Amino acid sequence: GAVVSQHPSWVICKSGTSVKIECRSLDFQATTMFWYRQFPKQSLMLMATSNEGSKATYEQGVEKDKFLINHASLTLSTLTVTSAHPEDSSFYICSARWLPQAGGTGELFFGEGSRLTVL
Amino acid sequence: AQSVTQLDSQVPVFEEAPVELRCNYSSSVSVYLFWYVQYPNQGLQLLLKYLSGSTLVKGINGFEAEFNKSQTSFHLRKPSVHISDTAEYFCAVSESWVTGGGNKLTFGTGTQLKVEL
Repeated sequence: GAVVSQHPSWVICKSGTSVKIECRSLDFQATTMFWYRQFPKQSLMLMATSNEGSKATYEQGVEKDKFLINHASLTLSTLTVTSAHPEDSSFYICSARWLPQAGGTGELFFGEGSRLTVL
Repeated sequence: AQSVTQLDSQVPVFEEAPVELRCNYSSSVSVYLFWYVQYPNQGLQLLLKYLSGSTLVKGINGFEAEFNKSQTSFHLRKPSVHISDTAEYFCAVSESWVTGGGNKLTFGTGTQLKVEL
């Protein structure tokens, strides 16, 4: 199946710094990518929908100035956690939608996740 | 808007025993249903999905699920589990792409399957 890669897998940063997480679709083009946040032993909460070449659509309650999303190309979306604080510590997962050229309904593929720890 | 309920947060089961993980959903429009598995500190892997057609869906690793529209359920089953099936399982729902759902998934809270010897 298609592969979605996230980098870094683990990141530890000091409070007040910014952290960038990359999400790449390695063997397909993804016009839409999704960013999720997962707290320990909880479900995934959709943060935002990232569309190539346009502004991201954020879910209610997600601070767009805090979580900057850029989808500059069909294979790369980035999530930047600005001025990170300990409460931003979490597991961030991206997914990318693959649409087959021959039509069909497409499928979502998930990255391996990025664990952010803010000290 | 859709919602997903996974009533069982943890399901312990002995190896080679059958297992059923329950999932109920609510939606005012037609939906697609998914089951994902997550191993520790990893992303999600699709087990199976229901889009249309046969209500019994077979997935990877010997798992299957049955879509029951009248009961709004999509329970996951495996006739004989293995130690390696120990993981977190998430049920998810999305609006159908025909209605513009676009793969925006709503996840349940997850069920931790623990297979014991």
